[in-house]
Amino acid sequence: EPEVTQTPSHQVTQMGQEVILRCVPISNHLYFYWYRQILGQKVEFLVSFYNNEISEKSEIFDDQFSVERPDGSNFTLKIRSTKLEDSAMYFCASSELGQGAGELFFGEGSRLTVL
Amino acid sequence: KQEVTQIPAALSVPEGENLVLNCSFTDSAIYNLQWFRQDPGKGLTSLLLIQSSQREQTSGRLNASLDKSSGRSTLYIAASQPGDSATYLCAVTYAGGTSYGKLTFGQGTILTVHP
Repeated sequence: EPEVTQTPSHQVTQMGQEVILRCVPISNHLYFYWYRQILGQKVEFLVSFYNNEISEKSEIFDDQFSVERPDGSNFTLKIRSTKLEDSAMYFCASSELGQGAGELFFGEGSRLTVL
Repeated sequence: KQEVTQIPAALSVPEGENLVLNCSFTDSAIYNLQWFRQDPGKGLTSLLLIQSSQREQTSGRLNASLDKSSGRSTLYIAASQPGDSATYLCAVTYAGGTSYGKLTFGQGTILTVHP
């Protein structure tokens, strides 16, 4: 069964360092998303991406965050200068359909620990 | 602003029992509602997707219902098994604005099924 894959599964970094989290969405999907879950809190939307541009972003997704689809398969989330409060599980998701109609499929997540 | 609430926060049942998990949302203008399962430290596994025009969806021992006008959904699990132990998350896609698959999540129900 097709699945969303994420790397790394766990990354530890020092505050102020840049981090890139990578995702390979399901191959025929056109809509891509990043969500995060701080320990003990709800899963939160960060950004949606379609046709090589951001469709929507939350207030969390400020200038330190960026997303990119550098080739036909990868979808990345970059955090430019990490803060302690960026420590969370980051989930990539993809869907075949957009406009709210599609079922989202999530990866296993990348746990980011900022020291 | 859409808010999603899940009741109960935690539930412990003996194996074999039928159970119901509840989800409510404040704004009935949704495209769809999705139920997920999350095992500790893992990603989100999609269980069922109900479009706003549907009343229910079934998959094996799982049945999800949707009453959009009252802002409620229930997930019914028949003949529960220890392997069903996980956190169950409810999420809705808001139909207003420029939502492109932005899910708003509840905080989850932690289910424990003991042998």
